[in-house]
Amino acid sequence: DSGVTQTPKHLITATGQRVTLRCSPRSGDLSVYWYQQSLDQGLQFLIQYYNGEERAKGNILERFSAQQFPDLHSELNLSSLELGDSALYFCASSPTGTPYNEQFFGPGTRLTVL
Amino acid sequence: AQSVTQLDSHVSVSEGTPVLLRCNYSSSYSPSLFWYVQHPNKGLQLLLKYTSAATLVKGINGFEAEFKKSETSFHLTKPSAHMSDAAEYFCVVSDRDGGSQGNLIFGKGTKLSVKP
Repeated sequence: DSGVTQTPKHLITATGQRVTLRCSPRSGDLSVYWYQQSLDQGLQFLIQYYNGEERAKGNILERFSAQQFPDLHSELNLSSLELGDSALYFCASSPTGTPYNEQFFGPGTRLTVL
Repeated sequence: AQSVTQLDSHVSVSEGTPVLLRCNYSSSYSPSLFWYVQHPNKGLQLLLKYTSAATLVKGINGFEAEFKKSETSFHLTKPSAHMSDAAEYFCVVSDRDGGSQGNLIFGKGTKLSVKP
């Protein structure tokens, strides 16, 4: 158990809808990272927050947004969902803002868009 | 630009035989290199990491990897495979310097099967 929690575990929704994925980092970790894992694209970095501020952006679509709250939990919002957004979404956390140190991954949220 | 190539998408070994999972990287700066493992329906767990100390890195569960700068490789090995090693393994690179923010770049993964 990494200490990172993600809810929900599974999410099934329809095209055009909006969903929110939630992540609680390990106690004391200031950075949260979001990743998308799909069969065709593999594991891709989406976005990083550090202590409430956006730190880095990866291959995140404009329909997706994230934020980190004062208690350091983070939410990833996915809107105008398309079939291709079906994937496993991971959150990871680390103590500092430097991502090249170890990141601790949550169990993931599996999103299915029908 | 940094990238990582895992040379085999699937490796199958018999229990008790050695494991070799191959990884080549490309990095403009001093890389940090990692191997993560993902068991079915689980999150990723760090196996080991290289951050410019010893070139032979020992990880958990008997795995180790050797950083070879001249070959730009970071292959993962284990002397004797266990059934519990069956999982997907990801080689990961991150630039520790430069302007790329140092975010992790994942390989496509190698699925390891272990036969009894």
